[in-house]
Amino acid sequence: DAGVIQSPRHEVTEMGQEVTLRCKPISGHDYLFWYRQTMMRGLELLIYFNNNVPIDDSGMPEDRFSAKMPNASFSTLKIQPSEPRDSAVYFCASSFSWGTDTTLNYGYTFGSGTRLTVV
Amino acid sequence: AQSVTQLGSHVSVSEGALVLLRCNYSSSVPPYLFWYVQYPNQGLQLLLKYTTGATLVKGINGFEAEFKKSETSFHLTKPSAHMSDAAEYFCAVSPAPAIYNQGGKLIFGQGTELSVKP
Repeated sequence: DAGVIQSPRHEVTEMGQEVTLRCKPISGHDYLFWYRQTMMRGLELLIYFNNNVPIDDSGMPEDRFSAKMPNASFSTLKIQPSEPRDSAVYFCASSFSWGTDTTLNYGYTFGSGTRLTVV
Repeated sequence: AQSVTQLGSHVSVSEGALVLLRCNYSSSVPPYLFWYVQYPNQGLQLLLKYTTGATLVKGINGFEAEFKKSETSFHLTKPSAHMSDAAEYFCAVSPAPAIYNQGGKLIFGQGTELSVKP
């Protein structure tokens, strides 16, 4: 498996523009998570999905942020309009439900992240 | 509610010295515990995990951690540091599967940056 795939790796955009980050989870994983990482706030969980359904979006900072998972192999995180304070590295991670992986492979697999810079 | 505290945002050791990164957790239910490592400009990689069974778990790159329920700790150790161990390390906790409605959600600590001096 190629792992969790995120695109783009780097994104530079101007304030006010729409930004879309993409994630392809590992095949068979039924959980998908979006995290944001900054020096000031560390790793923040934004939203997570189970079987394509959003379970907890309490970490989404504002209405400018939205996330979708139209199918088991694809998710997007959208920021519209973007602001300089949104500059961060955004990670996607996927996992099996706890208790369903008989190979004891619990734990997230992270993508390489998207480094977003809003100028 | 669960939480994780990593003691020390930055730890510096000499090459060949013992590495000890501290993690304490708070959980009202049996926890699953994890250590992740993040190298510069990369995502997080799973180092090791405790789910059930033996409380001393071994991971990749010579790291190990011991689950101590009485101390609510899960400290990460390595007998001899290598330069390549320089990275940021994250401890994380999740409820065991018995709490179904928590799913697979992990709570991460703030991270500890490990520096290794020649």
